[in-house]
Amino acid sequence: GQNIDQPTEMTATEGAIVQINCTYQTSGFNGLFWYQQHAGEAPTFLSYNVLDGLEEKGRFSSFLSRSKGYSYLLLKELQMKDSASYLCAAFNDYKLSFGAGTTVTVRA
Amino acid sequence: DSGVTQTPKHLITATGQRVTLRCSPRSGDLSVYWYQQSLDQGLQFLIQYYNGEERAKGNILERFSAQQFPDLHSELNLSSLELGDSALYFCASSGLGTGDIAGELFFGEGSRLTVL
Repeated sequence: GQNIDQPTEMTATEGAIVQINCTYQTSGFNGLFWYQQHAGEAPTFLSYNVLDGLEEKGRFSSFLSRSKGYSYLLLKELQMKDSASYLCAAFNDYKLSFGAGTTVTVRA
Repeated sequence: DSGVTQTPKHLITATGQRVTLRCSPRSGDLSVYWYQQSLDQGLQFLIQYYNGEERAKGNILERFSAQQFPDLHSELNLSSLELGDSALYFCASSGLGTGDIAGELFFGEGSRLTVL
């Protein structure tokens, strides 16, 4: 089975940095993914990690520690448009299972 | 635009009824996934098809069924509808060719089902 935990909400100021943590327990593991979902819209792929370490993609970075079952998504230089839900997801056995999502609110 | 098309975008029906949601994947994608997203829950994985065959199953109710056709479009059938089935139903597709990332899903805009 899958168990994916992430905080429900986070608030940060425009221009700041926010780190969204995710812990997971899965019966198998083929990668940890992060998706962004604006209210009422479809999720869109942001970043992923298969091996331990940090992956950087512009203002977004994602980190993975497989031994600890832990990942984080780092959002830098926050912009108002980054206000959204961020979904942590574990991929295994052809399934992508999502956490409940972290709603990030960016304030001016 | 993800390239994944879902119809209808909105659907209102009554309890006990049956509906069919349709999904056309991105051109060339063989995998189709179905998810349910309720207000109080995250994205719940329902089922996945690959090239017409069921490959993975989540907590899909027995009242729900799906299939993927030879042209790769997929349909999700929901029957004996209950109030609790009201949700946003997403279809997603993925490719497994060179350069594709397994687990990178391209989502349609969803079908919002309201059961009254």
